[in-house]
This record gives sequence, structure tokens and C-alpha cells, in this order.
Amino acid sequence: DGGITQSPKYLFRKEGQNVTLSCEQNLNHDAMYWYRQDPGQGLRLIYYSQIVNDFQKGDIAEGYSVSREKKESFPLTVTSAQKNPTAFYLCASSIWGAGTGANVLTFGAGSRLTVL
Amino acid sequence: QKEVEQDPGPLSVPEGAIVSLNCTYSNSAFQYFMWYRQYSRKGPELLMYTYSSGNKEDGRFTAQVDKSSKYISLFIRDSQPSDSATYLCAMSAASGTYKYIFGTGTRLKVLA
Repeated sequence: DGGITQSPKYLFRKEGQNVTLSCEQNLNHDAMYWYRQDPGQGLRLIYYSQIVNDFQKGDIAEGYSVSREKKESFPLTVTSAQKNPTAFYLCASSIWGAGTGANVLTFGAGSRLTVL
Repeated sequence: QKEVEQDPGPLSVPEGAIVSLNCTYSNSAFQYFMWYRQYSRKGPELLMYTYSSGNKEDGRFTAQVDKSSKYISLFIRDSQPSDSATYLCAMSAASGTYKYIFGTGTRLKVLA
């Protein structure tokens, strides 16, 4: 079955450590996204990528980094510069371009990061 | 003012009730409207996708868009305990865009 796989599901980090969240998709989607979800707030965009080897900052990119070396993969690193990293992180993908379905995001199951 | 407003709930209804979930928005450029369902500790899944104004029906779910009032609704008929989840509205102004604006979500509890 096609979908998005995020790992790990739960992650604990000590202050000052970098951690990397994995996101893999087999939907053949061009675009991939990372969102952060906090209680009482809508999903906020961290980074997005339309094509391999290219990515753009979203609304809250500070303290995060990404790479897009393969179409299927879009890992997110939460660096020690992120002051409040405890959150639920969601990876998503979509078709990129005009037409039906281009605005439909498919989400992974999420990764919950807790800073100790 | 937030671009999208959504009542956080929780909204509790008895099994079999008709549920109405709503979002209001301020940006008249929004044309694409989506409703996602998110179970606890899971990722959102798409329920309904609507372009521009009008109604769309899929089984027990009906999505309505009123662009003149900047108001969208999701109706759930014959609600079931399995419908208990958080419902997120989302919208965008253009096809092929990275910019989606999400509501904060409404928590729904359907009581057996």
C-alpha cells in the first residue's frame, strides 16, 4: 500500500542534542512537507520541498534543517537551536502542479518529540 | 485576527445525531477547501475536498462552502462512536501551492 512512513513514533531528547526524524513516501509525490502541531494551534509549516535537492523555509524554520537527496525521502533535523522543540511533527506529501489532487496532502502518522 | 477560525470544542453528541462542524476565514482568495479527520496520536486523513462554492456529499459526510460568507461546514449524519476524533479544516488560494492554512481543529465525541 502506498503511504508515508515516519519514524520514530516517539522520541526523547536531552537539551542540547540534535535529533533527526525520518519521512519516507512511496506515493511518487513530488512535494513533501514538514509541519509542527501544538495544542490549540493549527498546523504550522516548517519546510517544504517541490523537487529533489531543493527545499524552502516555511513559517517556523528556525532551529530546523532538512535535506531532499531522494524523491522518496525528506528527513527533518531538530537542532539544539530550536528553543521549544517538544511537539508532534507531521510529514506530508502531495502532487505538485495544477489540477485535481494537487491540493490534497497525504500525512504520515507523526512523530512525537519530547525534550527532557 | 487568524486567517481561519475553528471552534476547538469539545463537541459531545449522542450516537445517531447530526453533527455540524464549521470554519470561518478572512481571505477571500481561498478557493480550495479540505476537511481532515485526525484520531488521537495519528496523522490527519483527508475526508472531503471542495473547490469553490457549493456542496459535496460522500456517504454520511457533506461539505458546504459559502464563499460569500467566508464560511465552510462539514456535516456528519448518523454519527457513530468511531467518528470521535479531531476535525481540521484547511484551505488554500491556488492549485499547486505549498501554502495551506489549517484551523486549530474541533474535537468531537460521539457517545454510545
